[in-house]
Amino acid sequence: GQQLNQSPQSMFIQEGEDVSMNCTSSSIFNTWLWYKQDPGEGPVLLIALYKAGELTSNGRLTAQFGITRKDSFLNISASIPSDVGIYFCAGQRPGSARQLTFGSGTQLTVLP
Amino acid sequence: SAVISQKPSRDICQRGTSLTIQCQVDSQVTMMFWYRQQPGQSLTLIATANQGSEATYESGFVIDKFPISRPNLTFSTLTVSNMSPEDSSIYLCSVAGGLAGSEQYFGPGTRLTVT
Repeated sequence: GQQLNQSPQSMFIQEGEDVSMNCTSSSIFNTWLWYKQDPGEGPVLLIALYKAGELTSNGRLTAQFGITRKDSFLNISASIPSDVGIYFCAGQRPGSARQLTFGSGTQLTVLP
Repeated sequence: SAVISQKPSRDICQRGTSLTIQCQVDSQVTMMFWYRQQPGQSLTLIATANQGSEATYESGFVIDKFPISRPNLTFSTLTVSNMSPEDSSIYLCSVAGGLAGSEQYFGPGTRLTVT
C-alpha cells in the first residue's frame, strides 16, 4: 500500500526545547491527521488538516498541510515531560473512502 | 468525539485458537475500522466495517482469518482465527467522525499475545 515517510524515527530533547517532525509522500492527500500514542493506549487525535497550506494550532502544537498536498509537519514548542510518546502522521487519499495511511511514527523522549 | 471501548483489553491465547474482540461506541457511527499494530510498528488497516454490508478488507487480510461483524451502528467484532505467534499484536478499532467523517477516533486497543 501507499507509504508515508515519517522522520525522524526518534528524538531525544531537553525539556523546554522545540520539536519538529514531518511526513512526506509521493502521492497527494486530502486530509492530514496527527496522533499521539502513549504506552498501552490507542492513538489520540491532536490536529486535523483539510486544505493545502492550512496552518493549525492546538496549544503548544502547530501543524501544517503542505502546499503540494504531499507533506505535513508537526511542531511542539517548549516541550514538557508529558509530551513523551509516539507521534504518528496519517493521511487520507482521494477516493479512499475514509481509510487512513499511517506514517512509521516518531518516538519522542523529553529529558528533564 | 465518540467514546470507544474494547474488550478484552489484553489476552494470552494458545496457537490454533480464535479470539473475538469487541468494540463498543457510545453513539451511532456509520464507518468503523479495524487496525493491527505489530510490536514497535505503526498501524495497518485490516478492514472497514459498515453496518448492513460485508466488511471491506485491505490487501493482505482475508475474511477467513479476520471475520468481522457489524450488527448495528454502535458495535462491531473482529475475530482473529486459527492464531499463530505472528498474530501477536495490538488490535484497534476506530470510528469516523469530525469534518465530513475525515477524522478517526480510536479505542484503547486489545493487546494479544499468542503462545
